Amino acid sequence: GQQLNQSPQSMFIQEGEDVSMNCTSSSIFNTWLWYKQDPGEGPVLLIALYKAGELTSNGRLTAQFGITRKDSFLNISASIPSDVGIYFCAGTPPSGAGSYQLTFGKGTKLSVIP
Amino acid sequence: NAGVTQTPKFRVLKTGQSMTLLCAQDMNHEYMYWYRQDPGMGLRLIHYSVGEGTTAKGEVPDGYNVSRLKKQNFLLGLESAAPSQTSVYFCASSYSVTSGYNEQFFGPGTRLTVL
Repeated sequence: GQQLNQSPQSMFIQEGEDVSMNCTSSSIFNTWLWYKQDPGEGPVLLIALYKAGELTSNGRLTAQFGITRKDSFLNISASIPSDVGIYFCAGTPPSGAGSYQLTFGKGTKLSVIP
Repeated sequence: NAGVTQTPKFRVLKTGQSMTLLCAQDMNHEYMYWYRQDPGMGLRLIHYSVGEGTTAKGEVPDGYNVSRLKKQNFLLGLESAAPSQTSVYFCASSYSVTSGYNEQFFGPGTRLTVL
């Protein structure tokens, strides 16, 4: 099946720093989604991207859908302690069988040092 | 508007016991999904449903059964639990999918331990 490579696996940053993480695939996707999961909770949708090249922001978060449709990145500006958690990328393949299924990356664990 | 809810939140089973996990959504979503999350494995799809009365297998369906008798509910059953099924289980739902739009909304999870 399709696999998403998400990097880095974990990162420790100082409060106030900017953060960047990315996700790559060997095949194209029609949709890229970014989720955040707090400890003991379910994933929460942060940003959804639908077009190649699209750049979308949600507060301090910015995500982009790569031009090749095989990658996406998420930036967090001026990190704060509540940004701690695991960030997952997810993608939907082109329409057809399986287009309703999401393929998930294995997550980036973010720790913020006050 | 509660979104996606799951019951129970925690459960401990002995090997061979059976149980049913309940997922409910109040967003009138057509699609519903069951995932399991294990350390280092990310989220893996167990079964899904594209509408009331229909279900299909996902990536890791063995040992699980599902039913979608009502649009708002999706049940996950373990007929004979095994220690390998110790995991955190998440339910999700989404609107009908058109041209790849598939924003899934997740429940809070059920933590299952099989001894």
